[in-house]
Amino acid sequence: AQTVTQSQPEMSVQEAETVTLSCTYDTSENNYYLFWYKQPPSRQMILVIRQEAYKQQNATENRFSVNFQKAAKSFSLKISDSQLGDTAMYFCAFMGGGSNYKLTFGKGTLLTVNP
Amino acid sequence: KAGVTQTPRYLIKTRGQQVTLSCSPISGHRSVSWYQQTPGQGLQFLFEYFSETQRNKGNFPGRFSGRQFSNSRSEMNVSTLELGDSALYLCASSSTGPGNTIYFGEGSWLTVV
Repeated sequence: AQTVTQSQPEMSVQEAETVTLSCTYDTSENNYYLFWYKQPPSRQMILVIRQEAYKQQNATENRFSVNFQKAAKSFSLKISDSQLGDTAMYFCAFMGGGSNYKLTFGKGTLLTVNP
Repeated sequence: KAGVTQTPRYLIKTRGQQVTLSCSPISGHRSVSWYQQTPGQGLQFLFEYFSETQRNKGNFPGRFSGRQFSNSRSEMNVSTLELGDSALYLCASSSTGPGNTIYFGEGSWLTVV
């Protein structure tokens, strides 16, 4: 069974600074997908970024980028120019390849952006 | 395009009762999945439906069940409610294809008293 580990329960960063959230996972599959979701106080789960394991290039979405290290099974999220609206719970999630539509989530990292 | 819609958003039930939660996926999405979120256990996968068939099931007791209709709308039911069933229940939908993004609804908050 796949497992996803987020070792930082809480983090804080000053507005406009950069912060990196860590995520490691365990799987025996070679083809899979990784996601970062954001859950603000409203509890709506919002997709931040998506990475396909067979792609070596790290995914980027505006201020959000990932450092995907397949051999190390590591998938960290970097948020640049942090904004107050980035304050949220961030979840790392794994989805197996094929027709598997199941997400396995980490426990989450609560990120607080301070003014 | 409308997002994933869940109803009701909030509900309070008594131990022993049953509850039905409803989910309308994004138009065109045929896969609907359900997750339970609690402070202690985090986000846990309940089940996934595709074309009215349950394709995947998480490790939950048989009191938790679901179904999907021909229009892809889905319902989940919890019978004989226990206090530990108090949680945020999230529905999500996805279009066909491996690794496709899963989009979530705003959730249904269930409190069991």
